Amino acid sequence: AQSVAQPEDQVNVAEGNPLTVKCTYSVSGNPYLFWYVQYPNRGLQFLLKYITGDNLVKGSYGFEAEFNKSQTSFHLKKPSALVSDSALYFCAVRSISGNTGKLIFGQGTTLQVKP
Amino acid sequence: DSGVTQTPKHLITATGQRVTLRCSPRSGDLSVYWYQQSLDQGLQFLIQYYNGEERAKGNILERFSAQQFPDLHSELNLSSLELGDSALYFCASSPRDYPIETQYFGPGTRLLVL
Repeated sequence: AQSVAQPEDQVNVAEGNPLTVKCTYSVSGNPYLFWYVQYPNRGLQFLLKYITGDNLVKGSYGFEAEFNKSQTSFHLKKPSALVSDSALYFCAVRSISGNTGKLIFGQGTTLQVKP
Repeated sequence: DSGVTQTPKHLITATGQRVTLRCSPRSGDLSVYWYQQSLDQGLQFLIQYYNGEERAKGNILERFSAQQFPDLHSELNLSSLELGDSALYFCASSPRDYPIETQYFGPGTRLLVL
């Protein structure tokens, strides 16, 4: 079965410091991986995705993610955190079994950036 | 703004009642997906429609049903509501049904069952 794990419920980082939000996955076949962000009382906003090619994917708002096949990980990173980055972050994998297009989400990680 | 719209934003109702949530996908998108977000279950896929036809089913209760109309908007019907159905319901859309496509989410409908 395909699954996604976000091992940290919360990540705390000081403004200006680099941040990492961790994600590991389990899939059969090629993984299609996504990161979304959810601000309070808002929908999910797409940040970036990995389909194939370069292991370092760049996305919106200065975020990037590194795909590591041997470690089955897809960690989200940003070189310098902003207070406005504080939100709930979800990693997701696209299911390809049975030709379904559903996204399987991790439990989410709350990012808290302090001034 | 993703281009996906959902109405209503908030819904308060009583147990046993029936409600309908509406979703309009981004212009040109043929696939619509419904997800439920709750504190205990997280984000769960409910159902997908593609160009008017049901494409995939997830953890959707028998009390719930959905459809996609010729103009591609979709409705999620929730009946015999229980307290545990209180959640945030999201709709998402994508151009077709390819795994590499990004799903764009609407703002959600927050349902409270009292």
